[in-house]
Amino acid sequence: QVQLQESGPGLVKPSETLSLTCAVSGYSISSGYYWGWIRQPPGKGLEWIGSIYHSGSTYYNPSLKSRVTISVDTSKNQFSLKLSSVTAADTAVYYCARRRLQPPYYFDYWGQGTLVTVSS
Amino acid sequence: QPVLTQPPSSSASPGESARLTCTLPSDINVGSYNIYWYQQKPGSPPRYLLYYYSDSDKGQGSGVPSRFSGSKDASANTGILLISGLQSEDEADYYCMIWPSISWVFGGGTKLTVL
Repeated sequence: QVQLQESGPGLVKPSETLSLTCAVSGYSISSGYYWGWIRQPPGKGLEWIGSIYHSGSTYYNPSLKSRVTISVDTSKNQFSLKLSSVTAADTAVYYCARRRLQPPYYFDYWGQGTLVTVSS
Repeated sequence: QPVLTQPPSSSASPGESARLTCTLPSDINVGSYNIYWYQQKPGSPPRYLLYYYSDSDKGQGSGVPSRFSGSKDASANTGILLISGLQSEDEADYYCMIWPSISWVFGGGTKLTVL
């Protein structure tokens, strides 16, 4: 059973960097698939942040690209998100998810999500 | 990025059908894209339901009942999620998603109420 679990600080100060990690169990990241981050502000819709392949190849939402870095650590079977210069608008539940490598390209497994609040 | 338009809310009674729409902007032809649909209940992550490209190219998520189905209305440039035989547990938020070019894009979501 594939499981994903997000972890990281629940509170980040404005202008600082948000850092989250997604630990994957039940499947080896090195075996394939894309791995992504999606967020959801309280009471609002979903926004894709970016995705990474086990090789380290990444692609990001253009609206966030200048502030986002996603990396992978295959030895720990996890991948990470860094979002710099955060503001209150970055307050959201952050989900990590697995995206199929072959079509159809949907996100099939999701973590439970972690709420990150940006506040001083 | 393109905006996928979903009605904020919809309602129907148990046993009836619900037709949820996802309208693409005029510069993106719905006929050219897979439309993916997700269901989200409060406090839970989204659950993949299905994708629809055409009647010959579509797929159901694992364990998703066949009363969930997809289609398109080309004249309205819209993707459609049809839920037949509504049940109380279908009350949830529903999101559409596409990959128009360089970014995954989600619709704003529709809150479905089962009366």
